[in-house]
Amino acid sequence: EPEVTQTPSHQVTQMGQEVILRCVPISNHLYFYWYRQILGQKVEFLVSFYNNEISEKSEIFDDQFSVERPDGSNFTLKIRSTKLEDSAMYFCASSVLGELFFGEGSRLTVL
Amino acid sequence: QQQVKQSPQSLIVQKGGISIINCAYENTAFDYFPWYQQFPGKGPALLIAIRPDVSEKKEGRFTISFNKSAKQFSLHIMDSQPGDSATYFCAAGLSGSARQLTFGSGTQLTVLP
Repeated sequence: EPEVTQTPSHQVTQMGQEVILRCVPISNHLYFYWYRQILGQKVEFLVSFYNNEISEKSEIFDDQFSVERPDGSNFTLKIRSTKLEDSAMYFCASSVLGELFFGEGSRLTVL
Repeated sequence: QQQVKQSPQSLIVQKGGISIINCAYENTAFDYFPWYQQFPGKGPALLIAIRPDVSEKKEGRFTISFNKSAKQFSLHIMDSQPGDSATYFCAAGLSGSARQLTFGSGTQLTVLP
């Protein structure tokens, strides 16, 4: 069964450092998303991406965040200068027309 | 207006019992209501979803009931099993090209053997 894959599974970084989280969406999917989940809290939408541009973003997705689809398979989330409050599980998801399929997540710990 | 309120926060059910989780939404434009199941350390996995043109949808032991006028929907898990122990999230979204979902706060379900 096709699945969304994410790397790394866990990243520990110092505050102020740049982080790139990577995702390989399901191959025939056209829409890509990043969500995050702070420990013990609900899943929150960050950004959606279609046709090589951002289609929607939340207020969480400020200038510190960026997304890119550098090639035909990868979809990345960059956090330029991490803060303590960026510590969370980051989920990539993809869809073609209907349901979202989520990856297993990348846990980011900012020290 | 984008909020989705979910209850209860946690639920303990005996094996074979019925688990019921409720959600309420505010935005009347929402027209897609999925439920996700999440095991520890894993991503949310789609369980079942409903659109507002039907009042109920059943898939195996899982049923969504939808009340459009009350802006509420619920998940019923019949014959609950220990393997159903997980966190369940309701969500709501808009049809269209970008499926931005607003999630509820989650319900931690424990099914006792």
